Amino acid sequence: EPEVTQTPSHQVTQMGQEVILRCVPISNHLYFYWYRQILGQKVEFLVSFYNNEISEKSEIFDDQFSVERPDGSNFTLKIRSTKLEDSAMYFCASSEGVGLADFYEQYFGPGTRLTVT
Amino acid sequence: DAKTTQPTSMDCAEGRAANLPCNHSTISGNEYVYWYRQIHSQGPQYIIHGLKNNETNEMASLIITEDRKSSTLILPHATLRDTAVYYCIDLRPGGKLIFGQGTELSVKP
Repeated sequence: EPEVTQTPSHQVTQMGQEVILRCVPISNHLYFYWYRQILGQKVEFLVSFYNNEISEKSEIFDDQFSVERPDGSNFTLKIRSTKLEDSAMYFCASSEGVGLADFYEQYFGPGTRLTVT
Repeated sequence: DAKTTQPTSMDCAEGRAANLPCNHSTISGNEYVYWYRQIHSQGPQYIIHGLKNNETNEMASLIITEDRKSSTLILPHATLRDTAVYYCIDLRPGGKLIFGQGTELSVKP
């Protein structure tokens, strides 16, 4: 069964450093997402991406965050200057489509655990 | 935030049915009810969805009330591997999934 993959599985970085989290969505999917989950808290939407541009972003997704699809397979999340509070699990997801009246399953990757020290 | 409400936690004996309720009183007429689950620190996993009729797949059954204001996810024969947090999801336009706190289901031997 096709799956979303993410690398690295665990990233440790120092405060103020830049990190890039990588995702390979399912190949025929067109919509891509990043979510994060701070330890012990709920999963939170960060951003959705379609047709090489951001469709929607949350309040969390401020200027220090950016996303990119640099080639036909990868989807990346960059955090420019990491803060302690960025420590979390970051999940990438992808889907074939979007819609309220139609069903499109979002497939999630295994996550990258980011630890900012 | 999430327009769904669920109990915080539930226990279930292994081999018994687990019935997980959700209230979604503000759901509109053409919105599906979605359920996902998250096994400890893994990525959320789709379980089932429904609109009006009850649904069943290889993982679970979904019972939706006639007024669509609530639903129940049923795991007919819970196993230890079903221990997870179960989310009744609020789907927003554009594909954004809004997760609440979910129900932490503990399946006990």
